[in-house]
Amino acid sequence: EMQLVESGGGLIQPGGSLRLSCAASGFTFTRYGMNWVRQSPGKGLEWVSYISTSSTTINYTDSVKGRFTVSRDNANNSLYLQMNSLRDEDTAIYYCARDFCATTSCRFDQWGQGTVVTVSS
Amino acid sequence: EIVLTQSPATLSLSPGERATLSCRASQSINNYLTWYQQKPGQAPRLLIYDVFNRATDIPARFSGSGSGTDFTLTINSLEPEDSAVYYCQQRFNWPRTFGLGTKLEIK
Repeated sequence: EMQLVESGGGLIQPGGSLRLSCAASGFTFTRYGMNWVRQSPGKGLEWVSYISTSSTTINYTDSVKGRFTVSRDNANNSLYLQMNSLRDEDTAIYYCARDFCATTSCRFDQWGQGTVVTVSS
Repeated sequence: EIVLTQSPATLSLSPGERATLSCRASQSINNYLTWYQQKPGQAPRLLIYDVFNRATDIPARFSGSGSGTDFTLTINSLEPEDSAVYYCQQRFNWPRTFGLGTKLEIK
């Protein structure tokens, strides 16, 4: 069974750092790009970051550029999001999502259950 | 950044009725439009990709249409379990953006 399990969330003060992890299982992790998507309390979805299979292509939404770093460990089927200089507005559920691509078609076909990050003093 | 505008914000319909959800892009996104369904307390679920392709295990009463900047998700013969928030998303360029969602309530 394909599974994505996020961890690493918690309560952190503004300006602090957290490292989120996403453990993948049940599929060949090295074949898929991966994304982080977040959802602020009571709000909609916001794409945060993408990393390609071999980490050669990385993208971020503007609001996290210079503060967040996405990475992956293909040997351990894991995706990471290093979050520094955290702000109140980073408070959200953070989901990892698999980027399924076939020929020219791509979509986020599998999602984890999310990990909650709360930035507050 | 491409802005996706979803309408209506909220829709309240009865079982058996048809729901029509709209997603308008601020510029042409070709056919790179995806729909997701999210129920309370759950992660989003892929419904429709590239405008009209249903994802695995999605019932045929869910359908997508549109092109360029205007897209529609239609749900025929509504069932109680269709109560959810529906988001559209574009993958035409970076950043990948989502609409703010349409909340569908089944009376």
